[in-house]
Amino acid sequence: DQQVKQNSPSLSVQEGRISILNCDYTNSMFDYFLWYKKYPAEGPTFLISISSIKDKNEDGRFTVFLNKSAKHLSLHIVPSQPGDSAVYFCAATEGAQKLVFGQGTRLTINP
Amino acid sequence: NAGVTQTPKFRILKIGQSMTLQCAQDMNHNYMYWYRQDPGMGLKLIYYSVGAGITDKGEVPNGYNVSRSTTEDFPLRLELAAPSQTSVYFCASSQLDQPQHFGDGTRLSIL
Repeated sequence: DQQVKQNSPSLSVQEGRISILNCDYTNSMFDYFLWYKKYPAEGPTFLISISSIKDKNEDGRFTVFLNKSAKHLSLHIVPSQPGDSAVYFCAATEGAQKLVFGQGTRLTINP
Repeated sequence: NAGVTQTPKFRILKIGQSMTLQCAQDMNHNYMYWYRQDPGMGLKLIYYSVGAGITDKGEVPNGYNVSRSTTEDFPLRLELAAPSQTSVYFCASSQLDQPQHFGDGTRLSIL
């Protein structure tokens, strides 16, 4: 039972345009959501998070949107840069520290 | 500034052998975690610890053991290696309600 799903295994975006990565979840008890970025042969690094009491959180070029009624969150990257090419993981947690990860989306930024 | 250090980076084991994956953090974090990532999948929690002497099972604990005798170290033990344990293993640490910091992983193959 996949509680966190990223249905797009890959996404290709032109440099300078907006990248939108999507994530769906099934557990309504999740109350904190995170996005991690991962380069090859490295561990995931934290990017941005959002609490379930908010519907938007912004940090520089990165914005996360949360739609609780649809159990959906998205990560927007504007403008996209070549260094953004990586695998992005959505993760969720239920009031504790145990993260549940999605399968990841490989983002490629084309020059 | 080491963060989370995992050793070894690569290892090949024969079926039935045992080994210990090492994880150390220098951030004085109370929480530590072990995840595994199979190809094309997200990370799955194996075990976690909320402090020295306290450990608990995650989503996929079978075939593994852990101990936490110090704040800094959280080794993962495989007693009887099986092909299904071929994976990339990530260790992470955090403070309460803070994002987890990951090591760069141990790539383990069991033949």
